[in-house]
Amino acid sequence: DVKVTQSSRYLVKRTGEKVFLECVQDMDHENMFWYRQDPGLGLRLIYFSYDVKMKEKGDIPEGYSVSREKKERFSLILESASTNQTSMYLCASSTPMGGGETQYFGPGTRLTVL
Amino acid sequence: DAKTTQPPSMDCAEGRAANLPCNHSTISGNEYVYWYRQIHSQGPQYIIHGLKNNETNEMASLIITEDRKSSTLILPHATLRDTAVYYCIVRVPGGFKTIFGAGTRLFVKA
Repeated sequence: DVKVTQSSRYLVKRTGEKVFLECVQDMDHENMFWYRQDPGLGLRLIYFSYDVKMKEKGDIPEGYSVSREKKERFSLILESASTNQTSMYLCASSTPMGGGETQYFGPGTRLTVL
Repeated sequence: DAKTTQPPSMDCAEGRAANLPCNHSTISGNEYVYWYRQIHSQGPQYIIHGLKNNETNEMASLIITEDRKSSTLILPHATLRDTAVYYCIVRVPGGFKTIFGAGTRLFVKA
């Protein structure tokens, strides 16, 4: 089974802190993604990566950066956390399958910024 | 990627089949139909996908109409653990953006 793990299920940080969210997948997938999920807004794509050291902005990249130094690991960085970044953060990885491309999600990190 | 329309919520009795509809009238020829579900406080879980033929796996069946403008996800014997939000998505293979709409909140009742 594909496994996508995230470093924390729950995280509480203070405004202005630098925050690192880590994601690791064990299936050698090329593509990895970071989403945030908020009530009434659904899942929104922050950044994605289609290869090591490659990254592309998603729909809401402002206030975030990412790092992919190894194929299995994709990190989301909040340079200076703000209260409006309180959210559920979801990591996913994907690979082509059966003609399509299926994303597999981690359990999520619920981040609260005080 | 084409947009999808799903009912906001549905109920189903435990042990009965749950039939979740999805409209995707603007789907183009190379777009696949995907279904995911999200159980409360967990990440979305892949269920099934298809292009134009009906598909079945150990979790569910996917019925796509001949004109591909709509589809139905069937959970043949719903259990309480199937209570979740179900998302219908269409996307092109190799496309990086997966747009999750509001989905259908399925309540399975004993």
